Amino acid sequence: DAKTTQPNSMESNEEEPVHLPCNHSTISGTDYIHWYRQLPSQGPEYVIHGLTSNVNNRMASLAIAEDRKSSTLILHRATLRDAAVYYCILRDEWSAGKSTFGDGTTLTVKP
Amino acid sequence: NAGVTQTPKFRVLKTGQSMTLLCAQDMNHEYMYWYRQDPGMGLRLIHYSVGEGTTAKGEVPDGYNVSRLKKQNFLLGLESAAPSQTSVYFCASSYRRNTEAFFGQGTRLTVV
Repeated sequence: DAKTTQPNSMESNEEEPVHLPCNHSTISGTDYIHWYRQLPSQGPEYVIHGLTSNVNNRMASLAIAEDRKSSTLILHRATLRDAAVYYCILRDEWSAGKSTFGDGTTLTVKP
Repeated sequence: NAGVTQTPKFRVLKTGQSMTLLCAQDMNHEYMYWYRQDPGMGLRLIHYSVGEGTTAKGEVPDGYNVSRLKKQNFLLGLESAAPSQTSVYFCASSYRRNTEAFFGQGTRLTVV
């Protein structure tokens, strides 16, 4: 199964942009790239997802490499409420069982 | 809109006891999932369902059983609890395989 690799931790200053990288070199053509975040003592929360093209929503932007072997979640202006563990996972169009979470990136936002 | 609701939120079991965790969703989603999360780690898929009456094994299914008798409910059973099953359990649902997944708030289970 395709897996993702993320840095264990990252730091950012409040109101600055944050770029969270994810490598998925064995991604298949039917894998969608999803990002979720998890605040302490809560369930994961959907952030954004995409297949090939870059995506924007009210929370973030997702930049996908042309070869799809990596992607970057972009938070345009980090706030203290964005401090969380961010997970990059692959969700297969054809198999609901292939949606394993890695250990994620712990984002710390400094005031 | 309740979304995904898990019952109970906390539970302490003795080794060998059994219990059932209930997950309910009100979004008419076809797909439902059970994950476990151990301290400092990501989520691992236990079992999932692609529709009413169906279930399938995920990454770590041993020691668990599931049932999806109604579309809105997905039950996770532990027949004989073991200390290794101490974890936080999350339920999730989604409309399709690759669409946004909605998660419950989790059930913290301790097996002593």
